[in-house]
Amino acid sequence: TQLLEQSPQFLSIQEGENLTVYCNSSSVFSSLQWYRQEPGEGPVLLVTVVTGGEVKKLKRLTFQFGDARKDSSLHITAAQPGDTGLYLCAGATQGGSEKLVFGKGTKLTVNP
Amino acid sequence: GAVVSQHPSRVICKSGTSVKIECRSLDFQATTMFWYRQFPKQSLMLMATSNEGSKATYEQGVEKDKFLINHASLTLSTLTVTSAHPEDSSFYICSAGGFSYNEQFFGPGTRLTVL
Repeated sequence: TQLLEQSPQFLSIQEGENLTVYCNSSSVFSSLQWYRQEPGEGPVLLVTVVTGGEVKKLKRLTFQFGDARKDSSLHITAAQPGDTGLYLCAGATQGGSEKLVFGKGTKLTVNP
Repeated sequence: GAVVSQHPSRVICKSGTSVKIECRSLDFQATTMFWYRQFPKQSLMLMATSNEGSKATYEQGVEKDKFLINHASLTLSTLTVTSAHPEDSSFYICSAGGFSYNEQFFGPGTRLTVL
């Protein structure tokens, strides 16, 4: 069974602080996505990383895919209350399956 | 990104009744849709993969006779929870696949409460 270990599970910080969320696996993924989900809503796709070592930026969010395509990180600079939500990483397995393997999620709370 | 809708957004039903949840792709044709279940404060649990015109593929431990999935057209997949019981109460989310890099676009979810 392919697993994605996501950490931390919970994170509560003050507005303006920086944070990093990690997603690790022993498996290689052909691509990896990060989603954000707000309570009572479906996840929204933030970014997809495909190439080992790739770095993508989305305003204050920086996403990195590990060189071996087994891990990824999400770094948020100067967090704002609007960043509050559940962040999920999801990996696409090799071999042609369209299914995604999801991490357990990181519940982020940014306090004003 | 692609737009996916779900209906209803919330449903409350009595134990023993059946509930149908619709998942529609609004601006594209979805050959593959996925159905997930999410418990409070937890991640998504894949229930089944739905392919247009063929039988759904269920994940291990998911009762296919309990959770009936139909993907009759390229824009509509339905999940019917048959003879619902309180333990079926959950947040059900569908997503559309078939995109590059296995990206999925999710619907807004359906909150099912079985009394």
